[in-house]
Amino acid sequence: GAVVSQHPSRVICKSGTSVKIECRSLDFQATTMFWYRQFPKQSLMLMATSNEGSKATYEQGVEKDKFLINHASLTLSTLTVTSAHPEDSSFYICSAREAWRGTRDIFGQGTRLTVV
Amino acid sequence: GNSVTQMEGPVTLSEEAFLTINCTYTATGYPSLFWYVQYPGEGLQLLLKATKADDKGSNKGFEATYRKETTSFHLEKGSVQVSDSAVYFCALSGTDFNKFYFGSGTKLNVKP
Repeated sequence: GAVVSQHPSRVICKSGTSVKIECRSLDFQATTMFWYRQFPKQSLMLMATSNEGSKATYEQGVEKDKFLINHASLTLSTLTVTSAHPEDSSFYICSAREAWRGTRDIFGQGTRLTVV
Repeated sequence: GNSVTQMEGPVTLSEEAFLTINCTYTATGYPSLFWYVQYPGEGLQLLLKATKADDKGSNKGFEATYRKETTSFHLEKGSVQVSDSAVYFCALSGTDFNKFYFGSGTKLNVKP
């Protein structure tokens, strides 16, 4: 079946550096990809929606200059956390939607980011 | 606005026990409701869904009924197995299916 590969699964970085997380759809083309964030014991919160070849749409309260999203191809979206701070430590997860799948979004396994 | 509330875990059960994970929602309009499951080291997988009131979603022995009157979508299974140990997320999607709203997840531990 369709798989979304998210990389890395865990990353530790120093405060002030940038971190890139990749989300790849394997065996299908994703017209839309979604990025979520989850704080401990809280809901998965949608951060942004990205459509291939266009700018991402960010949810209210999400800093677009801090969380850079690029969806340059139909199989790859990247999330870059710029100038990371300890409060950016969280679980980030992406999902990919193929045009005909409707509500059947395919999720990656998530990335645990720790900023020290 | 839209939101989902589900019971806090972890839930620890013995094998063959009955499982209920509560989920209630707040939504405008007529949302679709979902249960996703995340096994260790894997992505979220759709477990079941229901798109309108009184629909029952079912899969792998799990069931959930869309109750509009109580705004609930509780997940149940009659006899859990060790292999059911995972994190379960309740979610809703609005009428345009564009965005998902998730609960905080409930971790289930099933002991042999």
